[in-house]
Amino acid sequence: NAGVTQTPKFRVLKTGQSMTLLCAQDMNHEYMYWYRQDPGMGLRLIHYSVGEGTTAKGEVPDGYNVSRLKKQNFLLGLESAAPSQTSVYFCASRRTGSNQPQHFGDGTRLSIL
Amino acid sequence: DAKTTQPPSMDCAEGRAANLPCNHSTISGNEYVYWYRQIHSQGPQYIIHGLKNNETNEMASLIITEDRKSSTLILPHATLRDTAVYYCIVRVTNVQGGKLIFGQGTELSVKP
Repeated sequence: NAGVTQTPKFRVLKTGQSMTLLCAQDMNHEYMYWYRQDPGMGLRLIHYSVGEGTTAKGEVPDGYNVSRLKKQNFLLGLESAAPSQTSVYFCASRRTGSNQPQHFGDGTRLSIL
Repeated sequence: DAKTTQPPSMDCAEGRAANLPCNHSTISGNEYVYWYRQIHSQGPQYIIHGLKNNETNEMASLIITEDRKSSTLILPHATLRDTAVYYCIVRVTNVQGGKLIFGQGTELSVKP
């Protein structure tokens, strides 16, 4: 019963490097989200998707790109990593329906040196 | 901005009920109240949600006042593993996919 799986769990990058974070869900959910969590700031929405092939910007999208080529996967890319992107990244998904709860993965801890 | 207000911290004795309050005085008629918790910076864990009726599941009970301006999450028999930060969230429907806005939450410490 995997739910929402994020890979990798930890990563250290150098400034300017690129990488992709993968989120996979096995619940056939339509909606998927990427958040970042920084100390004292709660979770902030980066990008989200309301279905396969669609993506949209959240509160803090700058420096990130996303893709939802398959319904079960939502990829978050950093084209040129910056120290300000050091954070814990959480992916979430939910069913269609305005009251459906989001279910979260265990996070990716990313450090940019 | 978070639409909820919670006490920053609470203590509870193991085996006793933990009652976590939340104020959401500006809630709209069709907005749900959600409760999540986060343990040791793991991913937020969904607990329960409700609109206006009281709700109960295997984890907790949610009591919403008749005017919907406040609610209480009840963990009936708290254990040490319930030590976590608990977030009360009023979700903004139809905005950015129904994103969740996490406030500062209540840090619950369950003590032996």
